[in-house]
Amino acid sequence: AQSVSQHNHHVILSEAASLELGCNYSYGGTVNLFWYVQYPGQHLQLLLKYFSGDPLVKGIKGFEAEFIKSKFSFNLRKPSVQWSDTAEYFCAVRRNTGFQKLVFGTGTRLLVSP
Amino acid sequence: ETGVTQSPTHLIKTRGQQVTLRCSSQSGHNTVSWYQQALGQGPQFIFQYYREEENGRGNFPPRFSGLQFPNYSSELNVNALELDDSALYLCASSSPTSGRGDTQYFGPGTRLTVL
Repeated sequence: AQSVSQHNHHVILSEAASLELGCNYSYGGTVNLFWYVQYPGQHLQLLLKYFSGDPLVKGIKGFEAEFIKSKFSFNLRKPSVQWSDTAEYFCAVRRNTGFQKLVFGTGTRLLVSP
Repeated sequence: ETGVTQSPTHLIKTRGQQVTLRCSSQSGHNTVSWYQQALGQGPQFIFQYYREEENGRGNFPPRFSGLQFPNYSSELNVNALELDDSALYLCASSSPTSGRGDTQYFGPGTRLTVL
């Protein structure tokens, strides 16, 4: 069965620090990869996605993620975080063939202090 | 805003009762997926509906059931509620035939508390 691991459950950063959140998945076939964000009191929003092509994907609000197939990883990065990035971040994976359901990681809570 | 709406926002039930949650999909989307998000966890897939038929199911018992209507809105029904059913229930809509890939867009969720 597919699974997604997010290694950092809680991350605390100061504004302007760089961010990298880890995501690894366990599925050997072709996958689609997603990062979603849940700001306090708001619904899940899509940050970025990878379907095919350039493994470096740029999303909204200055976020990017790199798909490394050999490492089964899809880490999220941002060069300089802002207080408004305080949120919970979820990595999700979906098989590219057959029935498609999203499998989510347990999430990473990011707190950015001003 | 994704255009996906859910009702009600919050709901309190007691053990053994039944509940119906509703979801209106984004315009043009024909697929609805339901997820359960327990506190401190990521969303877990319950099932998906495509053109009014269940298209796939996660590891949830049969007392979790659903419907999709001709306008692609959907209901999630849970019978014989248990304390562990307390969670945020998320609906996501998508359109696999759009040619742009199946990206799921989430609604705000319904917070269910079972006492």
